[in-house]
Amino acid sequence: DAKTTQPPSMDCAEGRAANLPCNHSTISGNEYVYWYRQIHSQGPQYIIHGLKNNETNEMASLIITEDRKSSTLILPHATLRDTAVYYCIVNRGFTDSWGKLQFGAGTQVVVTP
Amino acid sequence: NAGVMQNPRHLVRRRGQEARLRCSPVKGHSHVYWYRQLPEEGLKFMVYLQKENIIDESGMPKERFSAEFPKEGPSILRIQQVVRGDSAAYFCASSPGTGLGNQPQHFGDGTRLSIL
Repeated sequence: DAKTTQPPSMDCAEGRAANLPCNHSTISGNEYVYWYRQIHSQGPQYIIHGLKNNETNEMASLIITEDRKSSTLILPHATLRDTAVYYCIVNRGFTDSWGKLQFGAGTQVVVTP
Repeated sequence: NAGVMQNPRHLVRRRGQEARLRCSPVKGHSHVYWYRQLPEEGLKFMVYLQKENIIDESGMPKERFSAEFPKEGPSILRIQQVVRGDSAAYFCASSPGTGLGNQPQHFGDGTRLSIL
């Protein structure tokens, strides 16, 4: 699976949009981009994933560049409860032997009042 | 993290004892994954199981650790003769079966294992 690069930390003001970048320049055509977050002492929480097209759900939006070498997770209106470590992971999907998620260090996001 | 149930949430063992961690996947999910998070470190994959089969155990320590996912009942991660270095948070995740390959893994809230 392709590696990802994320900034180690970022701050965001409450109520503003948080834009979290991720580089995955070696991504291959059949690999998805997944985003998870881990709020202190809890299990990782799935946020969103995509292949080529931009995606949106009730939690966030995912913008994938046309060449698929980078993506941005957007939290439209950050709240204090969004303070967490955010992980960008590239994976071929969970069939047969492609099971493992490779977590990097992620981005520590701190939302401030 | 609704759906994946792990128990116990906290487990204390003395060195040399056995630890058994249980994971009930989301209803209908046939794939289970175990991850370990050592203090101040990232999540590391341990093992991937389907019903009654181990698919990938490349992240499992070679000794003392074993995992199973029987036809009936929860998945079990078993650690024999625990040592202080086994103290960590152990997370279980599940996903649907083959044919839904892009569906995400959903995680439980983990078992915090402390070795005295």
